[in-house]
Amino acid sequence: GIQVEQSPPDLILQEGANSTLRCNFSDSVNNLQWFHQNPWGQLINLFYIPSGTKQNGRLSATTVATERYSLLYISSSQTTDSGVYFCACQAGTALIFGKGTTLSVSS
Amino acid sequence: EAGVTQSPTHLIKTRGQQATLRCSPISGHTSVYWYQQALGLGLQFLLWYDEGEERNRGNFPPRFSGRQFPNYSSELNVNALELEDSALYLCASRMGMGETQYFGPGTRLLVL
Repeated sequence: GIQVEQSPPDLILQEGANSTLRCNFSDSVNNLQWFHQNPWGQLINLFYIPSGTKQNGRLSATTVATERYSLLYISSSQTTDSGVYFCACQAGTALIFGKGTTLSVSS
Repeated sequence: EAGVTQSPTHLIKTRGQQATLRCSPISGHTSVYWYQQALGLGLQFLLWYDEGEERNRGNFPPRFSGRQFPNYSSELNVNALELEDSALYLCASRMGMGETQYFGPGTRLLVL
């Protein structure tokens, strides 16, 4: 099955800094989503981005399907951005999740 | 528009008992997925239901089962509970193939 790897596993930032999270996947996908898991466990949709570039406020994402990677950019980090960010890919019937990047933003 | 809802939010059971978790998808969504997030194991696909039928299951034993009702809501049943079944169980729904999956708030199951 498809393998999804995220890096870095942990990221510590000062408020206001920018960051880039990476997701590599091992096969062609028809769905790629980025999520932010809040402290209560809910997965909040950030982007549905099997290819191309999208932006939403301070967040943007780019997926280069031919090279099998996706990047999530967070600009001007805020403490509320802290949490775990997951990349998930679907090549068949279900989403396969990476292990996540744990982001800690301090003031 | 209401999102995906799950009940109960928390569930405490003892080893050997059965647990039933419920999920209501977003209106108009016909597919429901179940995922397990256990400590140290990450998010793993459990079951997929579409149009009332089980379409696929992940690498879990048969004591994990479920069903989808005519109104597209779904139930996950876990029989003969084991301590390692303690986890956050997440339900997701989507409208069609290749569409975004939207997740509910989850049910935290604790097996003592």
